[in-house]
Amino acid sequence: EAEVAQSPRYKITEKSQAVAFWCDPISGHATLYWYRQILGQGPELLVQFQDESVVDDSQLPKDRFSAERLKGVDSTLKIQPAELGDSAMYLCASSSGLDWETQYFGPGTRLLVL
Amino acid sequence: AQSVSQHNHHVILSEAASLELGCNYSYGGTVNLFWYVQYPGQHLQLLLKYFSGDPLVKGIKGFEAEFIKSKFSFNLRKPSVQWSDTAEYFCAVNAGTGTASKLTFGTGTRLQVTL
Repeated sequence: EAEVAQSPRYKITEKSQAVAFWCDPISGHATLYWYRQILGQGPELLVQFQDESVVDDSQLPKDRFSAERLKGVDSTLKIQPAELGDSAMYLCASSSGLDWETQYFGPGTRLLVL
Repeated sequence: AQSVSQHNHHVILSEAASLELGCNYSYGGTVNLFWYVQYPGQHLQLLLKYFSGDPLVKGIKGFEAEFIKSKFSFNLRKPSVQWSDTAEYFCAVNAGTGTASKLTFGTGTRLQVTL
């Protein structure tokens, strides 16, 4: 069964450093999402791509966060500089045009900022 | 803006007990409703979904949920839980149309099933 891939699975960094997360959606899925899940809360959407275009980045802290999906396939989410409050799980999800309402999630990257 | 409320934060049940997890949403228009499950150490998985039609939907592993439009609710049920159902359960709402619609999650309910 096809799955969304993410790496790294865990990342520890010091505040003010830069971090990057990678996501490879299910093959053929045009829509890609990045979520942030703080411990004890549900995932919150950071950014949504349709192919290589950003559809919604209203909740993305653009002063420090950036996301790209240059060729409309895999995607990178970057934080620079990282802050203590960025410690969370970062989830990637994708959906296809045939069933765009249903999102399939990757295993996530757990970030700890010291 | 849409929002989702899950009132039960932590539920402890014995095996074979019946389960009902509450989910209420706020949105005046047409919604798609989901329950996702996250087993320990695993990623979020789709349990079941409701788009339209029969308000009682059946999902994997014996779970079902009922959409009650008048109550803005989409409660999850299982007649007899198993130890392996220990997990965190998230209700989610997708409102709007087209690819620009947004999935909003509740805060989750942690279910612990004891032997």
